[in-house]
Amino acid sequence: AQSVTQLDSQVPVFEEAPVELRCNYSSSVSVYLFWYVQYPNQGLQLLLKYLSGSTLVKGINGFEAEFNKSQTSFHLRKPSVHISDTAEYFCAPETGTGFQKLVFGTGTRLLVSP
Amino acid sequence: TAGITQAPTSQILAAGRSMTLRCTQDMRHNAMYWYRQDLGLGLRLIHYSNTAGTTGKGEVPDGYSVSRANTDDFPLTLASAVPSQTSVYFCASTNPRGGQETQYFGPGTRLLVL
Repeated sequence: AQSVTQLDSQVPVFEEAPVELRCNYSSSVSVYLFWYVQYPNQGLQLLLKYLSGSTLVKGINGFEAEFNKSQTSFHLRKPSVHISDTAEYFCAPETGTGFQKLVFGTGTRLLVSP
Repeated sequence: TAGITQAPTSQILAAGRSMTLRCTQDMRHNAMYWYRQDLGLGLRLIHYSNTAGTTGKGEVPDGYSVSRANTDDFPLTLASAVPSQTSVYFCASTNPRGGQETQYFGPGTRLLVL
C-alpha cells in the first residue's frame, strides 16, 4: 500500500525567505503525485501535480516541486514566500489502482511572519 | 457555479444521536469522496463513490454510511455518533481520468460530538 511522510509538521519562516516542504512516499508502484493547500477555515485546493515528463513541476502562486524517483521524494519549494502563503500543505501520492484514491500526508503548516 | 456545497457548516451533536452530513456538487462529476481531517493525522478517506449507484469503503469507514442515489448528492450518515467522530469532514468530487484528475473540495463541516 502507498504511504507518504511529511517530515515537518510546522515550518516557520520570515516573509521573502525561501522555503522547502519535504515529502517522501513509498515506491511500490509508479505514481502520480499531488500537493494540495488548505488556507485557514477553507477546503483543500490543488497546488500542483506530477503526472509524467519533466521532473520539475510548477504550480500556482509561485510554488514548484521536484520529483526525485531515486529518493522517492516530491519536495515543494518557493523562492520567496508571502504572508498570504500561510496555510497547511498536504502531499498526496495516488495509489495507482485505477480509481483515484489519494493518500494524504499529515500536513505541514507553513507560518510566514513579517 | 457553486462547485461543492456542504451542510451544515458546523454542528454540536449528542453522543448516540444520528446525523446526516450533506454534500452536493454541480460539476456533474462522477466520483465523490468523504474525508475526515484530524489534527496530526491529515485527511483520511471514509467512503467514496465512483459513479451514481455505487459506493466503496475507504480507510476509516466504521460508524459511517453513504448513499449515491444520483450524480449530484453524496450524503454521509452517522447512525449513532460517538465522541471519536468529532472532526472536520470534507466532501470532494472529480471526474475519473485514471488517477491523474484533480479533486475539488467543499468548505467542510465541523462536527463536535459530546
